[in-house]
Amino acid sequence: DIQMTQSPSSLSASVGDRVTITCRASQGIRNDLGWYQQKVGKAPKRLIYAASSLQSGGPSRFSGSGSGTEFTLTISSLQPEDFAIYYCLQYNTYPFTFGPGTKVDIK
Amino acid sequence: EVQLVESGGGLVQPGGSLRLSCATSGFTFSSYWMTWVRQAPGKGLEWVANINQDGSEKNYVDSVKGRFTISRDNAKSSLYLQMDSLRADDTTVYYCARGIGGGYWGQGTLVTVSS
Repeated sequence: DIQMTQSPSSLSASVGDRVTITCRASQGIRNDLGWYQQKVGKAPKRLIYAASSLQSGGPSRFSGSGSGTEFTLTISSLQPEDFAIYYCLQYNTYPFTFGPGTKVDIK
Repeated sequence: EVQLVESGGGLVQPGGSLRLSCATSGFTFSSYWMTWVRQAPGKGLEWVANINQDGSEKNYVDSVKGRFTISRDNAKSSLYLQMDSLRADDTTVYYCARGIGGGYWGQGTLVTVSS
C-alpha cells in the first residue's frame, strides 16, 4: 500500500498567517491527490483535487501544488473558519490512502 | 444542490451484519464512481471501498475484503454497503462520497459494534 505522511502533525497559527502543509507519498502518484478539510463534528470537505485544482466554490486562499511524491497545501491568509484538520488522499493506487492529518489551531 | 444522506447505522453485536444506504440527489448518480470512507472516533480517515458507474468494478481496503460488499442502484440513485462479520474495530462513522476523489460527502452514519 502507498503510505502517506503529513507534516507537521499540528501547527498553531494566527489569523492572517500563511500556512503550508506537506504531504508525501511512499511512491509516485502523479498528481492523483486531494486535500480535505474537516471541522469538529462535521464531514470532510474537499478543497483541492488533482493536486492543484481548486474545488468549485472553494476559497481562493487555498492552493495546492506538487506532483510525484511531494505535495503542499497552502493557505495564503488564514481565516478564523480555517481552523480544522486537513487530510491528503492519494487516489492513484488501490487501496486509496489518506494521510494522518494536520491539525491547524489558533495561536 | 448535491446531497448525500447516509442511513442504516446503529448498534450491532460482533459477528453481526448491517446494511448502510446512501441516498443521493442533485446530480446524475449513474455518471459517477461512488466511495465509502470511515472514521473511528477521534481518529483519521480510512478509505473503505469504491464502485464504478455501472457496478462492474469494485475495490476494497484489505481489512474489509470478504466481509463488506459495496453496491449501487442507479434507478434509485443510491449506494449501499453490506457489512458482514462485523468486528469491534469496524466501529466508526461511515461516510459516502461522490466520485473517486470524494468531491461531495454525506454527513455520516455511526456504526457501533459491541456486545
